[in-house]
Amino acid sequence: AQSVSQHNHHVILSEAASLELGCNYSYGGTVNLFWYVQYPGQHLQLLLKYFSGDPLVKGIKGFEAEFIKSKFSFNLRKPSVQWSDTAEYFCAVWMDSSYKLIFGSGTRLLVRP
Amino acid sequence: DAGVTQSPTHLIKTRGQHVTLRCSPISGHKSVSWYQQVLGQGPQFIFQYYEKEERGRGNFPDRFSARQFPNYSSELNVNALLLGDSALYLCASSQRQGTGQETQYFGPGTRLLVL
Repeated sequence: AQSVSQHNHHVILSEAASLELGCNYSYGGTVNLFWYVQYPGQHLQLLLKYFSGDPLVKGIKGFEAEFIKSKFSFNLRKPSVQWSDTAEYFCAVWMDSSYKLIFGSGTRLLVRP
Repeated sequence: DAGVTQSPTHLIKTRGQHVTLRCSPISGHKSVSWYQQVLGQGPQFIFQYYEKEERGRGNFPDRFSARQFPNYSSELNVNALLLGDSALYLCASSQRQGTGQETQYFGPGTRLLVL
């Protein structure tokens, strides 16, 4: 069955630290990949997406993600986090055959000032 | 432009009751999807509608139903509510890209509590 795994459920960092959140998927078809962010009290917002082309994609607020097909991974990175990055981050894969997003269980990031 | 809107924001129901949740997509978007997000988990797909036709359905019981109207807004209905239906219900709208690539934009959700 298709699935998305986010290995880190909780991450705590200090400001200016580097961030990498892992995401692995199992899906045999053409993959469209997404990272969404949910800030406290706010709705899910699109952070970045990969459809095709350059496997290194840049999103909003200094985030980027790298698609590595051989590893079925789409890890999210940011070189220097800020307190305002405290949020829950969700990785998702689009299944075109059934018109749905499959989400990982999310990673809660806490950035200490 | 306005984003995806949902109503109501919060709802409290008792077991066995029925609930209707509403969603208005982003202007120009013809597709609406519904997801259920239980605390501590990622959103789970319930339905997708495109041009008023059901295009996809997740693993939810028949107590869950939905429809899309000519103006592309949508309703999610849940009958015979159970305690386990307590969750955040998310609506997402999208406008399918020509190559089949689709990006979904989410509304703020309706938080349902079943007592």
